[in-house]
Amino acid sequence: SQTIHQWPATLVQPVGSPLSLECTVEGTSNPNLYWYRQAAGRGLQLLFYSVGIGQISSEVPQNLSASRPQDRQFILSSKKLLLSDSGFYLCAWSVLTGAFFGQGTRLTVV
Amino acid sequence: AQSVTQLGSHVSVSEGALVLLRCNYSSSVPPYLFWYVQYPNQGLQLLLKYTSAATLVKGINGFEAEFKKSETSFHLTKPSAHMSDAAEYFCAVTSGGSGGYQKVTFGTGTKLQVIP
Repeated sequence: SQTIHQWPATLVQPVGSPLSLECTVEGTSNPNLYWYRQAAGRGLQLLFYSVGIGQISSEVPQNLSASRPQDRQFILSSKKLLLSDSGFYLCAWSVLTGAFFGQGTRLTVV
Repeated sequence: AQSVTQLGSHVSVSEGALVLLRCNYSSSVPPYLFWYVQYPNQGLQLLLKYTSAATLVKGINGFEAEFKKSETSFHLTKPSAHMSDAAEYFCAVTSGGSGGYQKVTFGTGTKLQVIP
């Protein structure tokens, strides 16, 4: 069966520090992968999606970037975090019949 | 283009009462529709999905939803609320895209409070 792993679960980082969140999927090949951010009262915001290795599309301009170095690995990064980057980040993979989520990372920028 | 509107960011029901969470969608192609549940500090869990088969869909934990094309709705219901149903619920829509990409669009969520 397919599983998705996301880590770390929580992270507290100072303003201006770098960020790297990692997501891996098992049990499927060539998945569509996504990074979402969930801010209080704002629902789920799609940040990036990827349909294959090295193929990244950004939905909104921001301080973050994403990379897909391997078929089942999706990384969310920042060179310098801002206070506004705080939130709950979710990795997901999808097929037409649904999307499946990791357990999320709570990022607090202080 | 596709979109989802969830009416009511907060819904309160008494334990044992009917749960009704509203979702309306917009899609230029036949949609696939989903309901997800999220407990605090956790990822989203799929409750149920409509994929063009039966219009009345049953999911986990006693929830069900009915796809009504004429009303462009996919409301979530449960006959009797339980305390453990307190969570945030998200409606979502997806449709086939070019290059195998299926964009999943979520509503802004509805927080369900169950009052004992």
